[in-house]
Amino acid sequence: DIVMTQSPDSLAVSLGERTTINCKSSQSVLYSSNNKNYLAWYQQKPGQPPNLLIYWASTRKSGVPDRFSGSGSGTDFTLTISSLQAEDVAVYFCQQYYSTPYTFGQGTKLEIK
Amino acid sequence: EVQLVESGGGLVQPGGSLSLSCAASGFTFSDFWMTWVRQAPGKGLEWVANIKQDGSDKNYVDSVKGRFTISRDNAKNSLYLRMNSLRAEDTAVYYCARTYSPWDYWGQGILVTVSS
Repeated sequence: DIVMTQSPDSLAVSLGERTTINCKSSQSVLYSSNNKNYLAWYQQKPGQPPNLLIYWASTRKSGVPDRFSGSGSGTDFTLTISSLQAEDVAVYFCQQYYSTPYTFGQGTKLEIK
Repeated sequence: EVQLVESGGGLVQPGGSLSLSCAASGFTFSDFWMTWVRQAPGKGLEWVANIKQDGSDKNYVDSVKGRFTISRDNAKNSLYLRMNSLRAEDTAVYYCARTYSPWDYWGQGILVTVSS
C-alpha cells in the first residue's frame, strides 16, 4: 500500500498570509505513460463531506478559488493557499489514486491565528 | 446539479448486517465508476470500495474483503453497499462519491454505528 504522510498535522496562520501544506507518498504516484501525478487535495469543513480542490497534483477543480494551488511530482507535493481567508479554516487531505487501495494522508488542520 | 444521497445507516450489533444505498441524480450515472469512502468519528478518510460503470469490475480495501459487497443498479441510478459480519471498527460515516479525477462529487454521508 502507498502511505501518504502530511506535514504539519496542524497550523495556525494569520488572515491574508500564505500557507503551505506538504504531502509525501511512500512511492511515486507519477504514471510514466501519461506523465500525470495521481494526487488530489481535498478540503473538509466540520460536518461536511470532503470537497475536491486539486487533482492531477496541480489542476484546480472548476469553481475552486485561484488562491488554492498544487505543485510537486513523484513523491513530494504541496498545497498552497496564497492569501488565507476565514472560510479556509478546515482540515486538508491529500490522496493518491495511482493504485488500490487508494489512500489518504492523515489530514492537516488549518486554523486562524 | 449533481446530487448523491445516502440512506440505510443506523445502529447494528457486532456480527450483524446492514445495507447502504446511494441515490444519484443530475448526471448520467451509468457513465461513471462509483466509490464508497468511510470516515471513523474524528478520524481520517478510508477508501472502501469502487465499482465500474457496468458493474463488471469491483475493488475493495483488504479490511472489508469477503464481508462487504458493492453493487449498482443503473436503471435506478443507485449504488449499494451490503455490509455483513460488521465489527466495531466499521463504525464510521459512509460517503458515496462519483469517481472522476478522482472523486469530484460526494454525498453528505450516513452514519453506521456497530455496537452492542
